Amino acid sequence: QQQVKQSPQSLIVQKGGISIINCAYENTAFDYFPWYQQFPGKGPALLIAIRPDVSEKKEGRFTISFNKSAKQFSLHIMDSQPGDSATYFCAAMEYGNKLVFGAGTILRVKS
Amino acid sequence: DGGITQSPKYLFRKEGQNVTLSCEQNLNHDAMYWYRQDPGQGLRLIYYSQIVNDFQKGDIAEGYSVSREKKESFPLTVTSAQKNPTAFYLCASSIGGVSTEAFFGQGTRLTVV
Repeated sequence: QQQVKQSPQSLIVQKGGISIINCAYENTAFDYFPWYQQFPGKGPALLIAIRPDVSEKKEGRFTISFNKSAKQFSLHIMDSQPGDSATYFCAAMEYGNKLVFGAGTILRVKS
Repeated sequence: DGGITQSPKYLFRKEGQNVTLSCEQNLNHDAMYWYRQDPGQGLRLIYYSQIVNDFQKGDIAEGYSVSREKKESFPLTVTSAQKNPTAFYLCASSIGGVSTEAFFGQGTRLTVV
């Protein structure tokens, strides 16, 4: 049973559009929520992360929105570019414990 | 350069053989992780270790074994008991003790021939 549920499984966005990926969790002990970006044949790399005491975090074109009461968080990619085409994973970590991942979203940005 | 090194990048195994994947980090991290990645299933946790000489099973530990004799090394053995070992294996590390960023290696692609 997946502890972090991610949707959609795949996403196609036009260049310049907004990409939105959603995740939901059940374990209220999670205290760290990162998003990772992965290109084919490579290891995932941290994109942006948030802690539950913050409702939104923005870094350049990437924004995490966090809703603690709904136990949901999402990644928004503004002005999506073809170079953003990759697989995106949400994840969650409990204090000092294991890091668990969502199933991933394959994003394709059409030029 | 600090980072995580996985070797080899590609590995071929005959059915019935054990094989060991290497993971070394020079980040002075306490916590290390092994994940398996299959298409459409994301990253599934095999084993993790919070400190030297200690490790815990993840969600799919059956058919795998690990050791953590040194802080910088966390090798994964894929045993013959693993029924479907063909996959992309990823090693990661983090500071440990607090929830913070995990850094990943570049992965090992294991194929059973």
